[in-house]
Amino acid sequence: NAGVTQTPKFQVLKTGQSMTLQCAQDMNHNSMYWYRQDPGMGLRLIYYSASEGTTDKGEVPNGYNVSRLNKREFSLRLESAAPSQTSVYFCASKPSDRAYNEQFFGPGTRLTVL
Amino acid sequence: RKEVEQDPGPFNVPEGATVAFNCTYSNSASQSFFWYRQDCRKEPKLLMSVYSSGNEDGRFTAQLNRASQYISLLIRDSKLSDSATYLCVVNEGTGNQFYFGTGTSLTVIP
Repeated sequence: NAGVTQTPKFQVLKTGQSMTLQCAQDMNHNSMYWYRQDPGMGLRLIYYSASEGTTDKGEVPNGYNVSRLNKREFSLRLESAAPSQTSVYFCASKPSDRAYNEQFFGPGTRLTVL
Repeated sequence: RKEVEQDPGPFNVPEGATVAFNCTYSNSASQSFFWYRQDCRKEPKLLMSVYSSGNEDGRFTAQLNRASQYISLLIRDSKLSDSATYLCVVNEGTGNQFYFGTGTSLTVIP
């Protein structure tokens, strides 16, 4: 099992460009999440998908959109990148939306917006 | 006010030492609690869940104090391989809204 995979690992964008970060999990998990991690701040939830076919906003959703393509895949789109979106992005999944479930994280995407 | 607060450290301790980290949370309705470990430039990985009665896993002991709204992690007999950032994570009961502390940096020195 690969667990949670993310592509790309690194990306540099210019302000105003768009891109999609891809995430896939092979653990048959129902719930998936997108976080960003910035220096001096904890991971912050951008969007989540409690189950296939549903998505909801997290703490910092502005400037992002998501698609739960199927049970395995959950993508994050930046329509018009801004320097404030320079960050490390982590995708995570867990078996269900029960509070006691552990989250499993992907290796992250390091994004720089110039 | 932050949902979860941790002392960022750094904590620099010699091998074999015992070190403790604390974390406070603001929402008294929080339901589940975790400690994650994050190595430099890597993803977070679960170290242990924190149960109301406290729990131990080898050299690691986690405690929860609901009355004072804090969580602790005790590491005994520190190893060089314990050097990492330790993240306190709280779920407020919805199942999906997890709040992360900024992490406490630990370096174990030979």
